[in-house]
Amino acid sequence: QKEVEQNSGPLSVPEGAIASLNCTYSDRGSQSFFWYRQYSGKSPELIMSIYSNGDKEDGRFTAQLNKASQYVSLLIRDSQPSDSATYLCAVNIVGFNKFYFGSGTKLNVKP
Amino acid sequence: DVKVTQSSRYLVKRTGEKVFLECVQDMDHENMFWYRQDPGLGLRLIYFSYDVKMKEKGDIPEGYSVSREKKERFSLILESASTNQTSMYLCASSVTAMNTEAFFGQGTRLTVV
Repeated sequence: QKEVEQNSGPLSVPEGAIASLNCTYSDRGSQSFFWYRQYSGKSPELIMSIYSNGDKEDGRFTAQLNKASQYVSLLIRDSQPSDSATYLCAVNIVGFNKFYFGSGTKLNVKP
Repeated sequence: DVKVTQSSRYLVKRTGEKVFLECVQDMDHENMFWYRQDPGLGLRLIYFSYDVKMKEKGDIPEGYSVSREKKERFSLILESASTNQTSMYLCASSVTAMNTEAFFGQGTRLTVV
């Protein structure tokens, strides 16, 4: 079983809609959670980090963490065509100096 | 701003060649990582280092080695390049403490012919 699972997509949403991206993880020792955005041919860039249960908002982005259910999600409000990219979920587990990445969800925002 | 710089953006090498991929970070980060990324497989960890001269194998270390002689520099070595090592290679760094993110270099697209 992979440590981090994501639906590969593609997830298609119309411009202006809310895009919802989900990620589940298997290790209950997971402590830090990250969402990265990766445009085609580019390297991942950090969108959001979240460390405690609940919601964290930053502009149009909201990260949600539920440790009891072992999932983390990313909501993108007022989606724009420029949001079209692959979104990677990553976790950092207590005691391990490394990050575990999901395989990513491809998001298409249609004008 | 944190900067992670990989020596080459694109690289073409022949089968059997020894290949060096270099990565330098300027933020005094303790941890450095090498990943490869292939379509449908996501980011797979090859090796990582948590201190100078220290290294640990990741999920797919076969066919690779690494070197970290200085804190800011982490090198990935393909001992004898093969066509199945054609991939995007990504270097990243982070501080040791929990609750800190990884910063990525721009990536090296390696093609082995």
